[in-house]
Amino acid sequence: DTEVTQTPKHLVMGMTNKKSLKCEQHMGHRAMYWYKQKAKKPPELMFVYSYEKLSINESVPSRFSPECPNSSLLNLHLHALQPEDSALYLCASSHNRARDNTEAFFGQGTRLTVV
Amino acid sequence: KQEVTQIPAALSVPEGENLVLNCSFTDSAIYNLQWFRQDPGKGLTSLLLIQSSQREQTSGRLNASLDKSSGRSTLYIAASQPGDSATYLCAVRVGWYEKLTFGTGTRLTIIP
Repeated sequence: DTEVTQTPKHLVMGMTNKKSLKCEQHMGHRAMYWYKQKAKKPPELMFVYSYEKLSINESVPSRFSPECPNSSLLNLHLHALQPEDSALYLCASSHNRARDNTEAFFGQGTRLTVV
Repeated sequence: KQEVTQIPAALSVPEGENLVLNCSFTDSAIYNLQWFRQDPGKGLTSLLLIQSSQREQTSGRLNASLDKSSGRSTLYIAASQPGDSATYLCAVRVGWYEKLTFGTGTRLTIIP
């Protein structure tokens, strides 16, 4: 099983709403990532969790709050977002080792629209 | 800072043709390079992973090569099919913390 599952697939939220994106994998990976992708652009790294601890925050605004409750789950809590935050949010996972055969697997993404 | 570039940005070819997609990176100190496929509005599907110690990797009609010293990788697609139409992204992994740096992508259209 090389699947990363993201829910929901689509989300429309108002600027005052609070919502959460969810990501799950059962490959035993201990590194999990959130990427943001705007239309016709490559994905940009937001956060990296390693062994359930936040290891990288790419200067993401505090209205995005990640959480890794266990080794299989990754959440992204959203609050007071702006319309420019509308994008495809991608979750990924990989083994947490600096070896050259480590492969990253991505989910199908959550299409977020902020109105 | 690692920069990854893909040329061309868009490519249209008739069905059945063989084609090559290019990926260039500025820092040759990479751990590996992955090629991904992305359909419109969808996530990324991993196609091939080339380890830093490898020169090429094959899967079905796909063949990826890596030349670290020159900072280049190519993805060769044989006997193209309309179902191959998608955006193709290359990504290099740098550093112990598993960060992927993506290229700008090539949007491929196979004409039936």
